[in-house]
Amino acid sequence: QSALTQPRSVSGSPGQSVTISCTGTSSDVGGYKFVSWYQQHPGKAPKLMIYDVSERPSGVPDRFSGSKSGNTASLTISGLQAEDEADYYCCSYAGSYAYVFGTGTKVTVL
Amino acid sequence: EVQLVQSGAEVKKPGESLKISCKGSGYSFTNYWIGWVRQMPGKGLEWMGIIYPGASDTRYSPSLQGQVTISADKSINTAYLQWSSLKASDTAIYYCARLLSIAACDSWGQGTLVTVSS
Repeated sequence: QSALTQPRSVSGSPGQSVTISCTGTSSDVGGYKFVSWYQQHPGKAPKLMIYDVSERPSGVPDRFSGSKSGNTASLTISGLQAEDEADYYCCSYAGSYAYVFGTGTKVTVL
Repeated sequence: EVQLVQSGAEVKKPGESLKISCKGSGYSFTNYWIGWVRQMPGKGLEWMGIIYPGASDTRYSPSLQGQVTISADKSINTAYLQWSSLKASDTAIYYCARLLSIAACDSWGQGTLVTVSS
Protein backbone atom coordinates (compact mmCIF):
# COMPACT_ATOMS: atom_id res chain seq x y z
CA GLN A 1 0.00 0.00 0.00
CA SER A 2 1.09 3.59 -0.56
CA ALA A 3 1.50 5.84 2.46
CA LEU A 4 -1.47 8.01 3.34
CA THR A 5 -0.99 11.65 2.35
CA GLN A 6 -0.57 14.27 5.06
CA PRO A 7 0.56 17.91 4.78
CA ARG A 8 4.24 18.22 5.51
CA SER A 9 3.69 20.92 8.13
CA VAL A 10 1.03 23.02 9.83
CA SER A 11 1.46 25.82 12.32
CA GLY A 12 -0.57 27.95 14.66
CA SER A 13 -0.28 30.34 17.55
CA PRO A 14 -1.02 29.27 21.12
CA GLY A 15 -4.75 29.00 21.66
CA GLN A 16 -5.55 28.60 17.98
CA SER A 17 -6.86 25.47 16.28
CA VAL A 18 -5.05 23.46 13.63
CA THR A 19 -6.34 20.58 11.52
CA ILE A 20 -4.23 17.86 9.93
CA SER A 21 -5.65 15.92 7.00
CA CYS A 22 -4.89 12.31 6.11
CA THR A 23 -5.95 11.22 2.64
CA GLY A 24 -6.09 7.63 1.52
CA THR A 25 -8.33 5.53 -0.68
CA SER A 26 -11.49 3.49 -0.44
CA SER A 27 -9.24 0.51 0.36
CA ASP A 28 -7.99 2.01 3.59
CA VAL A 29 -9.28 5.24 5.16
CA GLY A 30 -12.54 5.23 3.23
CA GLY A 31 -13.23 1.56 3.74
CA TYR A 32 -12.95 1.19 7.51
CA LYS A 33 -13.67 3.01 10.75
CA PHE A 34 -10.17 2.14 11.96
CA VAL A 35 -8.07 5.28 11.73
CA SER A 36 -5.71 6.25 14.52
CA TRP A 37 -3.45 9.22 15.16
CA TYR A 38 -0.06 9.31 16.88
CA GLN A 39 2.00 12.10 18.35
CA GLN A 40 5.78 11.76 18.29
CA HIS A 41 8.17 14.12 20.01
CA PRO A 42 11.83 14.08 18.88
CA GLY A 43 13.67 11.03 20.15
CA LYS A 44 10.55 9.54 21.67
CA ALA A 45 8.22 6.67 20.84
CA PRO A 46 4.88 7.50 19.24
CA LYS A 47 1.87 8.07 21.50
CA LEU A 48 -1.71 7.13 20.64
CA MET A 49 -3.92 10.24 20.54
CA ILE A 50 -7.03 9.08 18.65
CA TYR A 51 -8.30 5.65 17.58
CA ASP A 52 -11.34 4.31 15.73
CA VAL A 53 -11.52 7.68 13.90
CA SER A 54 -12.70 9.75 16.86
CA GLU A 55 -12.14 7.91 20.14
CA ARG A 56 -9.74 9.40 22.67
CA PRO A 57 -7.72 7.15 25.01
CA SER A 58 -7.87 8.04 28.66
CA GLY A 59 -5.37 10.73 29.54
CA VAL A 60 -5.44 12.43 26.15
CA PRO A 61 -6.75 16.00 26.44
CA ASP A 62 -10.13 16.69 24.85
CA ARG A 63 -8.38 19.39 22.78
CA PHE A 64 -7.59 16.54 20.42
CA SER A 65 -10.41 15.32 18.20
CA GLY A 66 -10.72 13.17 15.10
CA SER A 67 -13.15 12.81 12.25
CA LYS A 68 -13.47 11.26 8.81
CA SER A 69 -15.23 12.05 5.59
CA GLY A 70 -14.91 9.74 2.64
CA ASN A 71 -11.27 8.89 2.04
CA THR A 72 -9.94 11.67 4.27
CA ALA A 73 -9.49 11.59 8.03
CA SER A 74 -8.65 14.64 10.11
CA LEU A 75 -7.10 15.45 13.45
CA THR A 76 -7.95 18.77 15.04
CA ILE A 77 -6.01 20.29 17.89
CA SER A 78 -8.00 23.04 19.59
CA GLY A 79 -6.45 25.53 21.99
CA LEU A 80 -2.95 24.81 20.71
CA GLN A 81 -0.30 24.59 23.42
CA ALA A 82 3.48 24.64 23.27
CA GLU A 83 3.71 20.97 24.21
CA ASP A 84 1.64 20.04 21.15
CA GLU A 85 4.62 20.83 18.94
CA ALA A 86 5.55 17.42 17.54
CA ASP A 87 5.18 15.16 14.52
CA TYR A 88 1.78 13.57 13.96
CA TYR A 89 1.03 10.42 12.00
CA CYS A 90 -2.24 8.89 10.94
CA CYS A 91 -2.64 5.15 10.51
CA SER A 92 -5.40 3.18 8.81
CA TYR A 93 -6.40 -0.43 8.62
CA ALA A 94 -6.29 -1.61 5.01
CA GLY A 95 -7.90 -5.01 5.29
CA SER A 96 -6.43 -8.52 5.69
CA TYR A 97 -4.36 -7.48 8.72
CA ALA A 98 -2.59 -4.80 6.66
CA TYR A 99 -1.98 -1.29 7.94
CA VAL A 100 -0.64 1.91 6.44
CA PHE A 101 0.78 5.03 8.07
CA GLY A 102 0.57 8.58 6.83
CA THR A 103 3.56 10.57 5.63
CA GLY A 104 3.64 12.59 8.84
CA THR A 105 2.97 16.23 9.70
CA LYS A 106 5.14 18.56 11.74
CA VAL A 107 3.07 20.82 13.95
CA THR A 108 4.79 24.07 14.91
CA VAL A 109 3.50 26.32 17.66
CA LEU A 110 4.42 29.87 16.71
CA GLU B 1 0.84 -0.85 34.12
CA VAL B 2 1.24 -2.08 30.56
CA GLN B 3 4.89 -2.02 29.51
CA LEU B 4 6.84 -3.11 26.47
CA VAL B 5 10.60 -3.18 26.97
CA GLN B 6 12.82 -3.64 23.94
CA SER B 7 16.37 -4.90 23.71
CA GLY B 8 19.26 -2.47 23.38
CA ALA B 9 20.87 -0.77 20.42
CA GLU B 10 22.78 -2.92 17.96
CA VAL B 11 25.65 -2.20 15.55
CA LYS B 12 26.09 -4.82 12.86
CA LYS B 13 27.87 -5.34 9.56
CA PRO B 14 26.10 -6.04 6.27
CA GLY B 15 25.33 -9.73 5.89
CA GLU B 16 25.17 -10.41 9.63
CA SER B 17 22.08 -11.79 11.35
CA LEU B 18 20.17 -10.14 14.18
CA LYS B 19 17.24 -10.80 16.50
CA ILE B 20 15.77 -8.01 18.62
CA SER B 21 13.19 -8.48 21.34
CA CYS B 22 10.16 -6.87 22.93
CA LYS B 23 9.05 -8.07 26.37
CA GLY B 24 5.53 -7.32 27.53
CA SER B 25 4.34 -6.99 31.11
CA GLY B 26 1.31 -5.77 33.03
CA TYR B 27 -1.25 -7.47 30.78
CA SER B 28 -2.18 -10.82 29.24
CA PHE B 29 0.53 -11.05 26.57
CA THR B 30 -1.19 -13.84 24.65
CA ASN B 31 -4.44 -11.93 24.14
CA TYR B 32 -3.23 -8.90 22.18
CA TRP B 33 -1.59 -8.50 18.80
CA ILE B 34 1.93 -7.03 18.81
CA GLY B 35 3.00 -4.91 15.87
CA TRP B 36 6.47 -3.92 14.63
CA VAL B 37 7.08 -0.47 13.15
CA ARG B 38 10.19 0.84 11.39
CA GLN B 39 11.43 4.42 11.39
CA MET B 40 14.38 5.07 9.13
CA PRO B 41 16.64 8.02 9.99
CA GLY B 42 14.72 11.27 9.68
CA LYS B 43 11.75 9.50 8.10
CA GLY B 44 8.21 8.51 9.00
CA LEU B 45 6.66 5.42 10.50
CA GLU B 46 6.31 2.26 8.44
CA TRP B 47 4.22 -0.77 9.35
CA MET B 48 6.19 -4.03 9.20
CA GLY B 49 3.88 -6.73 10.51
CA ILE B 50 1.99 -8.15 13.45
CA ILE B 51 1.86 -11.28 15.53
CA TYR B 52 -0.75 -12.76 17.87
CA PRO B 53 1.40 -14.43 20.52
CA GLY B 54 -1.41 -16.68 21.71
CA ALA B 55 -1.40 -18.52 18.40
CA SER B 56 1.79 -17.24 16.73
CA ASP B 57 -0.43 -16.00 13.92
CA THR B 58 1.82 -13.66 11.92
CA ARG B 59 1.08 -11.22 9.12
CA TYR B 60 3.62 -9.15 7.18
CA SER B 61 3.52 -5.95 5.21
CA PRO B 62 3.71 -6.99 1.54
CA SER B 63 6.70 -4.70 1.03
CA LEU B 64 8.69 -6.45 3.76
CA GLN B 65 7.55 -10.03 3.33
CA GLY B 66 10.56 -12.32 3.23
CA GLN B 67 12.98 -9.68 4.48
CA VAL B 68 12.29 -10.14 8.19
CA THR B 69 10.80 -12.78 10.49
CA ILE B 70 8.44 -11.99 13.34
CA SER B 71 8.03 -14.52 16.11
CA ALA B 72 7.03 -14.78 19.76
CA ASP B 73 7.69 -16.92 22.82
CA LYS B 74 4.56 -16.74 24.93
CA SER B 75 6.23 -18.56 27.81
CA ILE B 76 8.38 -15.49 28.44
CA ASN B 77 6.00 -12.82 27.08
CA THR B 78 8.43 -11.79 24.37
CA ALA B 79 8.09 -10.96 20.70
CA TYR B 80 10.98 -10.91 18.25
CA LEU B 81 12.02 -9.34 14.98
CA GLN B 82 14.88 -10.97 13.14
CA TRP B 83 16.99 -10.66 10.02
CA SER B 84 19.11 -13.39 8.46
CA SER B 85 21.26 -11.04 6.39
CA LEU B 86 21.26 -7.35 7.23
CA LYS B 87 21.67 -4.57 4.69
CA ALA B 88 22.73 -0.98 5.22
CA SER B 89 19.18 0.03 4.35
CA ASP B 90 17.96 -1.81 7.48
CA THR B 91 19.46 0.98 9.58
CA ALA B 92 16.52 2.34 11.54
CA ILE B 93 14.74 2.52 14.87
CA TYR B 94 12.39 -0.40 15.35
CA TYR B 95 9.39 -0.11 17.66
CA CYS B 96 7.07 -2.78 18.97
CA ALA B 97 3.56 -1.81 20.02
CA ARG B 98 0.51 -3.48 21.52
CA LEU B 99 -2.68 -3.32 19.48
CA LEU B 100 -5.53 -2.37 21.80
CA SER B 101 -7.90 -2.87 18.89
CA ILE B 102 -7.66 -2.78 15.13
CA ALA B 103 -5.19 -0.02 14.14
CA ALA B 104 -4.90 1.29 17.72
CA CYS B 105 -1.42 0.87 19.18
CA ASP B 106 -1.89 2.00 22.76
CA SER B 107 1.45 1.00 24.26
CA TRP B 108 4.85 1.27 22.62
CA GLY B 109 8.30 0.00 23.39
CA GLN B 110 11.10 2.52 23.74
CA GLY B 111 12.54 1.57 20.35
CA THR B 112 15.67 -0.33 19.31
CA LEU B 113 18.22 1.45 17.12
CA VAL B 114 19.79 -0.89 14.60
CA THR B 115 22.81 0.43 12.74
CA VAL B 116 24.18 -1.57 9.82
CA SER B 117 27.53 -0.34 8.56
CA SER B 118 30.70 -1.83 7.20
